[in-house]
Amino acid sequence: NAGVMQNPRHLVRRRGQEARLRCSPMKGHSHVYWYRQLPEEGLKFMVYLQKENIIDESGMPKERFSAEFPKEGPSILRIQQVVRGDSAAYFCASSPLRVLQETQYFGPGTRLLVL
Amino acid sequence: DQQVKQNSPSLSVQEGRISILNCDYTNSMFDYFLWYKKYPAEGPTFLISISSIKDKNEDGRFTVFLNKSAKHLSLHIVPSQPGDSAVYFCAASASYGGSQGNLIFGKGTKLSVKP
Repeated sequence: NAGVMQNPRHLVRRRGQEARLRCSPMKGHSHVYWYRQLPEEGLKFMVYLQKENIIDESGMPKERFSAEFPKEGPSILRIQQVVRGDSAAYFCASSPLRVLQETQYFGPGTRLLVL
Repeated sequence: DQQVKQNSPSLSVQEGRISILNCDYTNSMFDYFLWYKKYPAEGPTFLISISSIKDKNEDGRFTVFLNKSAKHLSLHIVPSQPGDSAVYFCAASASYGGSQGNLIFGKGTKLSVKP
């Protein structure tokens, strides 16, 4: 049973370009979470999605960031017109159910570097 | 405003001895706590969790203690092994409220176990 998959593992973009980060949850998991880790910081919640629905985007910057989890295919975190401050590690996690006290399992992350 | 605090950025322990990692939280709505272990360039790996209805949970060499009145939890690793060297993140979630289920992370403690 494969774990959470993320690609690419490393992404380099110039300021103003778009970054697309992909996440395939574990088999049987229908809940996806995105977190961002800045250098020397803990992980910060960004968005929680179920298939075709954004449930909670309270941690997502209001502009330039968007997320989707289509019926078919991976979840996508999109960052438009990237700036240097977007450089971070972006982690995706998944869980099978949105029940009380369900453990989230993390992917290896995508390290975004904005030049 | 940090809701989950890990006040020790680093900890060094001799192999075979006990490692104690500490975590404090401020939000009394948190009722589920987790510890994740993270190696460089990898995603966090779930280690152990505890519900607020318990004060102790044990899994092999790892034990988590929860003191609700002090809003404090700790992770004990005994005996410590060199392979335990990693960054350990404490995380908390609330079963109810607007952001239920979203994990709030501390900044991590880097554990070094010396042979």
